[in-house]
Amino acid sequence: GQQVMQIPQYQHVQEGEDFTTYCNSSTTLSNIQWYKQRPGGHPVFLIQLVKSGEVKKQKRLTFQFGEAKKNSSLHITATQTTDVGTYFCAGADRGSTLGRLYFGRGTQLTVWP
Amino acid sequence: DTAVSQTPKYLVTQMGNDKSIKCEQNLGHDTMYWYKQDSKKFLKIMFSYNNKELIINETVPNRFSPKSPDKAHLNLHINSLELGDSAVYFCASSQRVTGQGNTIYFGEGSWLTVV
Repeated sequence: GQQVMQIPQYQHVQEGEDFTTYCNSSTTLSNIQWYKQRPGGHPVFLIQLVKSGEVKKQKRLTFQFGEAKKNSSLHITATQTTDVGTYFCAGADRGSTLGRLYFGRGTQLTVWP
Repeated sequence: DTAVSQTPKYLVTQMGNDKSIKCEQNLGHDTMYWYKQDSKKFLKIMFSYNNKELIINETVPNRFSPKSPDKAHLNLHINSLELGDSAVYFCASSQRVTGQGNTIYFGEGSWLTVV
């Protein structure tokens, strides 16, 4: 069945260092979405990628969708303490009639000042 | 105005009790969900309703029963609570069924602790 694997599960960085989290799917995705959950908060939508090889940027965040539409990454340049939280990818299975979204297990980012 | 609101935010109850969590969305969305998040932050979908019709029912014990009186509301009733039910329960909604490029909007969560 559909699975979205996300690594690493935890990442601790010094403020100013870069951070990357990766998602891989066992099947081809129609799109992939990224969410951020601050400690004690709820997941909040960041971005959606639809096209093969797509790259999108939001300030220090860069999102990529692989050519085969089976993997994605989120890269944060020069992390800040405000980046702390859990980042989730969520992929929609292209072949699913239900069109459901499958969430990765998340990467918990800690940023030391 | 909160887009997806759920109550209560915190709930502490004893094993064996029955409890309900209510959810309402004012976004005009057709699809609503219940997710369970465990202590390791894993987000697991439990149920999904589209226009009041159940479309996703994951492997969830029968003690959990969702009810959608209309497409703006999706409540979750839990019978005979167990220690393992302790988690954060998120209600969520999307404009249509996901997989068609629709964003999920999450409520603020209900922290359930079973003692």
